[in-house]
Amino acid sequence: NAGVMQNPRHLVRRRGQEARLRCSPMKGHSHVYWYRQLPEEGLKFMVYLQKENIIDESGMPKERFSAEFPKEGPSILRIQQVVRGDSAAYFCASGQGAKNIQYFGAGTRLSVL
Amino acid sequence: DAKTTQPPSMDCAEGRAANLPCNHSTISGNEYVYWYRQIHSQGPQYIIHGLKNNETNEMASLIITEDRKSSTLILPHATLRDTAVYYCIVRVENGNKLVFGAGTILRVKS
Repeated sequence: NAGVMQNPRHLVRRRGQEARLRCSPMKGHSHVYWYRQLPEEGLKFMVYLQKENIIDESGMPKERFSAEFPKEGPSILRIQQVVRGDSAAYFCASGQGAKNIQYFGAGTRLSVL
Repeated sequence: DAKTTQPPSMDCAEGRAANLPCNHSTISGNEYVYWYRQIHSQGPQYIIHGLKNNETNEMASLIITEDRKSSTLILPHATLRDTAVYYCIVRVENGNKLVFGAGTILRVKS
């Protein structure tokens, strides 16, 4: 049973470009969470999605950031017009069921030049 | 979600038990104690969780005090690969986000 898959593992963008981060949850999981870890800082929750629905986006910046989890395919975290401050590790986690233990992927490291 | 307090760092000799404490004095009756760890910028790894009874799995044991205001994660025979940041988090079992604090940096030394 494959774990949470994130790609790409590393992403380099220039200021003003768009970044798309993908997350495939564990098989059978329908809950997806995105977290961000800025350099030398802790993990911060961004958004919680279930299939086709955003459940909690209280940690998402109001501008330039969006997330989706379509009926088919991976969850996508999209960052428009990236700035240097967006450079961070972005982790996705998935969960399911009553216990809803979150299992994390290896992350995508975004570097903005 | 309740806040937790952990020591910033601890050292442990290889092969010895590592005991990581966590205080959560404002925990609610329906909140569980979760432990995760993050090894050198990898994705966080789930270790164990519990409500009020002690729990054990292949990775660790979790001891929760009777008043549930504190807990201890025990790695029975620490190895160098257990060097990581360990996070204690409280949350309702089917809850939403995980709120990560600063955690405890555990250094296992040979």
